Amino acid sequence: SQQGEEDPQALSIQEGENATMNCSYKTSINNLQWYRQNSGRGLVHLILIRSNEREKHSGRLRVTLDTSKKSSSLLITASRAADTASYFCATPLETSGSRLTFGEGTQLTVNP
Amino acid sequence: DTEVTQTPKHLVMGMTNKKSLKCEQHMGHRAMYWYKQKAKKPPELMFVYSYEKLSINESVPSRFSPECPNSSLLNLHLHALQPEDSALYLCASSGWELTNEKLFFGSGTQLSVL
Repeated sequence: SQQGEEDPQALSIQEGENATMNCSYKTSINNLQWYRQNSGRGLVHLILIRSNEREKHSGRLRVTLDTSKKSSSLLITASRAADTASYFCATPLETSGSRLTFGEGTQLTVNP
Repeated sequence: DTEVTQTPKHLVMGMTNKKSLKCEQHMGHRAMYWYKQKAKKPPELMFVYSYEKLSINESVPSRFSPECPNSSLLNLHLHALQPEDSALYLCASSGWELTNEKLFFGSGTQLSVL
């Protein structure tokens, strides 16, 4: 079963704007990952944040993790049309490990 | 080589057919996964292989039969499928199953069952 819930389900913004997606999960974890999926393609790993980290950056991506609220957010700054994709958070089935369960995803559309 | 290769990219089959999906990686990964993804939904874990042995079967119907011939290859044999089995089937790999590593995904096989 999927334990992640993401909001919003869909987000439409203009190029250059920032996009924020949120993920909530139910069980204890020691890491959370974000993936991106272009339509009809495989998923691409974006970033992994561990439970002892509160914030992590990678290029235009910023991820936060609040284990007390069991939530995470993904911020994409200065968005581009090429960022249009579905974004999923993923958490291990058990506390740790690479057997992942994925959230419902956010469909991001960046308009040129 | 950081790729996971899946073949075929598209497959149309009848409910009485037998077909196989193939997945290959040459990253030396010891864990391989099959996920099923319906349109506009997240991927759902089907099977996990660790060191070529089946580690997890997420209560998948027997009409789906996984096989791991060696550490680089993963197959999914399909038989007597139903139209509701139409979906994108994704293969993934990671270095180890029980460590916190990212998954590398293939591009998937889009399966249509008529």
